[in-house]
Amino acid sequence: NAGVTQTPKFQVLKTGQSMTLQCAQDMNHEYMSWYRQDPGMGLRLIHYSVGAGITDQGEVPNGYNVSRSTTEDFPLRLLSAAPSQTSVYFCAIKGVGTEAFFGQGTRLTVV
Amino acid sequence: AQSVTQPDIHITVSEGASLELRCNYSYGATPYLFWYVQSPGQGLQLLLKYFSGDTLVQGIKGFEAEFKRSQSSFNLRKPSVHWSDAAEYFCAVGESNFGNEKLTFGTGTRLTIIP
Repeated sequence: NAGVTQTPKFQVLKTGQSMTLQCAQDMNHEYMSWYRQDPGMGLRLIHYSVGAGITDQGEVPNGYNVSRSTTEDFPLRLLSAAPSQTSVYFCAIKGVGTEAFFGQGTRLTVV
Repeated sequence: AQSVTQPDIHITVSEGASLELRCNYSYGATPYLFWYVQSPGQGLQLLLKYFSGDTLVQGIKGFEAEFKRSQSSFNLRKPSVHWSDAAEYFCAVGESNFGNEKLTFGTGTRLTIIP
């Protein structure tokens, strides 16, 4: 998973707390995205960005915010965590016509 | 909208036996197709991809997949599995328009290998 760094790897939050999941890349790819992975659901797209200053919603955006001020970084913000947001979160980067490269994931538990 | 179906949630195969994992997709144009593998607690690793050209594509770890447009399928195969192949496998379809590089994933197939 070279080129995509996610932090933290694990996090436990209390309901109502906020936090930011970090994603950084060093491959200069235009496209960055956030997925959540839940048992039996595969990976579902939360938000994505096609370049600095441009973001858009994916399949399951509610409860999450993103911004893309630089090519390298694409943080995912949980404004008020809920137990339904307990999941494994993956950041992915992609160039035009290439495969996606994934980070190692952040395992988030909301209690 | 594009979609991917992996009809087998869980498959168990004996070590040394052949393997075929099924994937069907729905997409209006020529798709980009991918197979990813995920070991427990890890991220996703690309096994192989199809963009165009030869419909039989070779990947890493001895895997191959065949694109069949008439059946909207992209099944993954391996002639002889190893215990280390136990993992979860995801098929994905991508949009081919610049600026719209979303990937849609199937729900995955978990592969168990028995001795």
